[in-house]
Amino acid sequence: DVKVTQSSRYLVKRTGEKVFLECVQDMDHENMFWYRQDPGLGLRLIYFSYDVKMKEKGDIPEGYSVSREKKERFSLILESASTNQTSMYLCASSPLGGGYTEAFFGQGTRLTVV
Amino acid sequence: AQTVTQSQPEMSVQEAETVTLSCTYDTSESDYYLFWYKQPPSRQMILVIRQEAYKQQNATENRFSVNFQKAAKSFSLKISDSQLGDAAMYFCAYLLSGNTPLVFGKGTRLSVIA
Repeated sequence: DVKVTQSSRYLVKRTGEKVFLECVQDMDHENMFWYRQDPGLGLRLIYFSYDVKMKEKGDIPEGYSVSREKKERFSLILESASTNQTSMYLCASSPLGGGYTEAFFGQGTRLTVV
Repeated sequence: AQTVTQSQPEMSVQEAETVTLSCTYDTSESDYYLFWYKQPPSRQMILVIRQEAYKQQNATENRFSVNFQKAAKSFSLKISDSQLGDAAMYFCAYLLSGNTPLVFGKGTRLSVIA
């Protein structure tokens, strides 16, 4: 089975902290994605990556950065956490070309910034 | 940019009855993919059904089927013989062929009444 693993299910951080959300996939997928999920807003794309060291901005990249040093790992970084970044964060991966093969998701990290 | 609209924030259905969730999308492309994902309380996103735009035949997966109207840019999900385990958030998603990310609607929360 494809597995996308996010390092934490729940996380509480203080305002101003630097926060790392880690995501690892075990299916050798080229594509990896970070989404943010908020009630009434659905899933919004923060960043995505097609290859190691490659990254593309999504719809809401402000306040976030990413790192992809290895194919299987895609990290989301909150440089200075703020309360408006309290949310659910979902990581996903998909194979090169996507298309008929769907994206696979991790179980999400619920981040609370206090 | 492509957009996906789910006009029903919440729906409910009696157990064993049929319910239809609506989804419309906006694109100028002719070749793309459409998906319905289910997110139960466990937060794990699960693929329910997928449709390739060049296929006119509506996709079916057991109790789940779609009504794909390409000209109208409509992609509704029908759940037959609803079960308690169908209660979840349902997201409609669009994918352009190639290395592009999924674009999601805002979701429909489905409740199943025993």
